[in-house]
Amino acid sequence: AQSVAQPEDQVNVAEGNPLTVKCTYSVSGNPYLFWYVQYPNRGLQFLLKYITGDNLVKGSYGFEAEFNKSQTSFHLKKPSALVSDSALYFCAVRERGDKIIFGKGTRLHILP
Amino acid sequence: ETGVTQSPTHLIKTRGQQVTLRCSSQSGHNTVSWYQQALGQGPQFIFQYYREEENGRGNFPPRFSGLQFPNYSSELNVNALELDDSALYLCASSPETGVLYEQYFGPGTRLTVT
Repeated sequence: AQSVAQPEDQVNVAEGNPLTVKCTYSVSGNPYLFWYVQYPNRGLQFLLKYITGDNLVKGSYGFEAEFNKSQTSFHLKKPSALVSDSALYFCAVRERGDKIIFGKGTRLHILP
Repeated sequence: ETGVTQSPTHLIKTRGQQVTLRCSSQSGHNTVSWYQQALGQGPQFIFQYYREEENGRGNFPPRFSGLQFPNYSSELNVNALELDDSALYLCASSPETGVLYEQYFGPGTRLTVT
């Protein structure tokens, strides 16, 4: 069965510093990996995805993620954090049948 | 272009009751997926509808059922509500099935079962 793990419940970063939110995956076959963000009282918003191709994927709001096959990781990164980046972030893997399997989420706090 | 909308925003039900949640898909989208997000957890896949037919189901009991209408809007019905059904219910629409097509999420319906 496919799964993703987000080892950190919460990540605190000072504004202006680089941020990393970690994700590891377990899949059989090719991984289709995603990052979503959830703001309070709002649905999930798509940030970026890896299907195939370059290991560094660029997404919305200045976020990027690095696909590492040997480490089975797909960490989310941003060079300079903003207070407005504070939210709940979900890593996800998608099966061929459209089912998205989400991690438990990591709450990101950007400290002013 | 109107995004995915869900109604109601919030509702409170009593254990044993039945509830219907509604989702209007984004214009041009024929696929709707439903997810349950319990507090502090990631969303869990309930089922998907494609062109009015169920197209995949997660590990949810039969008392969770759904419909998709000719205009591709959808309903999620839950019978015999249990306390553990309290959650945020999200629907997502996409232009087609398949991993290459993005799923666009609505804001969710927060269900509280007392």
